[in-house]
Amino acid sequence: QSVLTQPPSASGTPGQRVTISCSGGSSNIGNNFVYWYQQFPGTAPKLLIFKNNQRPSGVPDRFSGSKSGASASLAISGLRSDDEADYYCAAWDDSLSGYLFGTGTTITVL
Amino acid sequence: EIQLLESGGGSVQRGKSLRLSCATSGFAFRSFAMSWVRQAPGKGLEWVSSISADGGTTGYADSVKGRFTISRDTSRSTVYLQMNNLRGEDTALYYCSKGHQSAAVPDYWGQGTLVTVSS
Repeated sequence: QSVLTQPPSASGTPGQRVTISCSGGSSNIGNNFVYWYQQFPGTAPKLLIFKNNQRPSGVPDRFSGSKSGASASLAISGLRSDDEADYYCAAWDDSLSGYLFGTGTTITVL
Repeated sequence: EIQLLESGGGSVQRGKSLRLSCATSGFAFRSFAMSWVRQAPGKGLEWVSSISADGGTTGYADSVKGRFTISRDTSRSTVYLQMNNLRGEDTALYYCSKGHQSAAVPDYWGQGTLVTVSS
């Protein structure tokens, strides 16, 4: 399927571990790298994870990515109030010959 | 410091054209693919178009194919998006982005330029 599906929302208390799923298909996640972005309201997205599980310099190791088959996950451990943001997965889609972004997940820290 | 500065957005009527520009600095422009990604008000991210480092390969989302054209000027370290026959559903904040390593997938983003299409 040429769509990347994420849960609309997820939440946790400070210090908890939260996981966001990203479900795709064989033409995108199943055959290509997954990227994750963090976006705060009114600001541009920021690259959080590249090539499934790699962190750019400056991204805390509280953020981790994984991929299995046609699905991927972003985990945030030691949740903090300033992690409240929207998170998007992305991957190249071979069928569309273009990039797909996930539907987005809003993280709320209770 | 890597910087991307979009310009050219505005309010236009349906069917009209706009050209967006993205002036860049702080990196070897000729070595990286560039992309445009848009975000409609209150909605998620949508990839629009990408261009390879040498400008020889371009790609477009089906929603804009045949109406939008991406190009780049290495001498000006600038990437452009020519948007023709604009529709209401093109209303969005348009982000310019630098490709990550050898791919066009975004790593650095500009702050965006707003395009509003009215009837």
